Amino acid sequence: QVQLQESGPGLVKPSETLSLTCTVSGGSVSSYYWSWIRQPPGKGLEWIGYIYYGGSTNYNPSLTSRVTISVDTSKNQFSLKLTSVTAADTAMYYCASSAGDYHWFDSWGQGTLVTVSS
Amino acid sequence: DIVMTQSPDSLAVSLGERATINCKSSQSVLYSSNNKNYLAWYQQKPGQPPKVLIYWASIRESGVPDRFSGSGSGTDFTLTISSLQAEDVALYYCQQYYRTPRTFGQGTKVEIK
Repeated sequence: QVQLQESGPGLVKPSETLSLTCTVSGGSVSSYYWSWIRQPPGKGLEWIGYIYYGGSTNYNPSLTSRVTISVDTSKNQFSLKLTSVTAADTAMYYCASSAGDYHWFDSWGQGTLVTVSS
Repeated sequence: DIVMTQSPDSLAVSLGERATINCKSSQSVLYSSNNKNYLAWYQQKPGQPPKVLIYWASIRESGVPDRFSGSGSGTDFTLTISSLQAEDVALYYCQQYYRTPRTFGQGTKVEIK
């Protein structure tokens, strides 16, 4: 299984853009499906979306107008951008991998907490 | 969206006793062409990411103790811990991967009685 590590700012101001990166090791980003999942403090899990190495994306309709997921094969990373954030976007953000489209999440990063506050 | 509803929200079980968690999906996650249920179970311990325990509703992930088992089909699923150990205290989530958006149950907290 691959290892995943999230990175990015832990504090974002309201109305600004949240940007996170997930670095993949032990495997190539040029395979598999790569997802972002978030978990507000004390709450459940919400799938944000995924990207397939070919560039195809699939986003949660609840967030699609604000989300972009991209992949950088040269750095073996994939990224999340979430625009116009509010306090409701405060959460632990996880990156995760799936071996196929109709597949469970078989590897997860440790997560990074992002707080939206002025 | 497929809504996943778990019950109970929490349960307390004595060490060595059985713990049962239910998960109901708002529509079937059984694909008739391959007779597979697109349902996974995860365990999340405090401060850790979720870890897959079960996929295809009943297949145990490599390394997962055999006291964990999954059953069910269609819309109704169960995760059973046959003999609860102290290290099993955690949150447990079901998740469907039949359709996007991928959706999770709200979680069930398992504690020691």
